[in-house]
Amino acid sequence: DARVTQTPRHKVTEMGQEVTMRCQPILGHNTVFWYRQTMMQGLELLAYFRNRAPLDDSGMPKDRFSAEMPDATLATLKIQPSEPRDSAVYFCASGMGTGLNTEAFFGQGTRLTVV
Amino acid sequence: KNQVEQSPQSLIILEGKNCTLQCNYTVSPFSNLRWYKQDTGRGPVSLTIMTFSENTKSNGRYTATLDADTKQSSLHITASQLSDSASYICVVSPTPNQAGTALIFGKGTTLSVSS
Repeated sequence: DARVTQTPRHKVTEMGQEVTMRCQPILGHNTVFWYRQTMMQGLELLAYFRNRAPLDDSGMPKDRFSAEMPDATLATLKIQPSEPRDSAVYFCASGMGTGLNTEAFFGQGTRLTVV
Repeated sequence: KNQVEQSPQSLIILEGKNCTLQCNYTVSPFSNLRWYKQDTGRGPVSLTIMTFSENTKSNGRYTATLDADTKQSSLHITASQLSDSASYICVVSPTPNQAGTALIFGKGTTLSVSS
């Protein structure tokens, strides 16, 4: 069945290292979201794309985070350099629609630990 | 400031019992309100979506209500099952035409159903 696929599922890295998380949205979906979830803050929207173009990345720390969609089947979220406060679960979600009111289908997340 | 507050923070109930989770929001104007269920280690899954003009929406044993005047929503679970043990997250979308719009997430209610 169709689902959003995220890799890796778990990542442990040292502070200062580059981290790249990947997401394969559901085929045919035109909107892709990146979220971060922590115990303290809950779910936060980092960025979202429609038709591969970034529409809003205001939730993302620009100095170290970057999000791209090289093609319709791949979205990436990169952190360089990583810091311990980046430790969280990062979710990718995809949907069909016109932006934030799009129904979002979530992947299983990447659990990132920065030590 | 736009906020979404959920209560209780956690809840333990016996299998077969009913329960109600609360969501109060200060987002105004708003476009829609969603309830998500998140199992441990998984991504959130949408249960219901309601626009400001809808009062109630059901999905099996889950029934969401919305009072746009008091800015309150509730999620009622009937005849709870062990598989209902999860975190339930309330999400409010501001009117989509606002610049810099972002989804407003509650921190969730953790429900534990015991036998």
